[in-house]
Amino acid sequence: EVQLVQSGAEVKKPGATVKISCKVSGYTFADHHMHWIQQAPGKGLEWMGLINPEDGETLYAEKFQDRITITADTSTDTAYMELSSLTSEDTAVYSCATSRDWALPYWGQGTLVTVSS
Amino acid sequence: QSVLTQPPSVSGAPGQRVTISCTGSSSNIGANFDVHWYQRLPGTVPKLLIYVNNNRPSGVPDRFSGSKSGTSASLAITGLLAEDEAEYYCQSYDSSLSAWVFGGGTKLTVL
Repeated sequence: EVQLVQSGAEVKKPGATVKISCKVSGYTFADHHMHWIQQAPGKGLEWMGLINPEDGETLYAEKFQDRITITADTSTDTAYMELSSLTSEDTAVYSCATSRDWALPYWGQGTLVTVSS
Repeated sequence: QSVLTQPPSVSGAPGQRVTISCTGSSSNIGANFDVHWYQRLPGTVPKLLIYVNNNRPSGVPDRFSGSKSGTSASLAITGLLAEDEAEYYCQSYDSSLSAWVFGGGTKLTVL
């Protein structure tokens, strides 16, 4: 069974950096891209970026390009998403999801990040 | 403003059929990139409902179907049930942006 388990909720101050983890099991981590998606309150899904765990190559959405870093550790089958210079607009649930045939069939449970002074 | 355009809301009575449209452009759906659909129930993460335009993952009822033509795609739900009340999102890839893209989402209300 494919499982993606994310780290717990975070509360950050404006200007801070958050790093969320996503540990996978049930498939070969290096074989499939890992994506990150933002779900802000009252808003839709926003694709943030992806990583190919096999070679570490990344692709980021233009909106987050300057502030996001996605990494992958194949020794622990874990992906990470780091978002810097946080503002209240970054308060959202962040989910990892792994792709198959360009779709996203497997998702983590989501991590709530609250940015507040 | 989402790259893929969906109606903000649709509604239907139990047992009826509803469709949700997803309109793109020549750099995504029109460029022959596949369309996938997700259902997001309140308080949960999205669930893949339709992949590669018209395929249902195991466990998804055949009341859900997808289609694609030109620069648009559609999700159809027949025999509406109260449990279908959720948000629905389309997703594709955009070659101009080099990015995965989602529609803005459609809230389905079962009357």
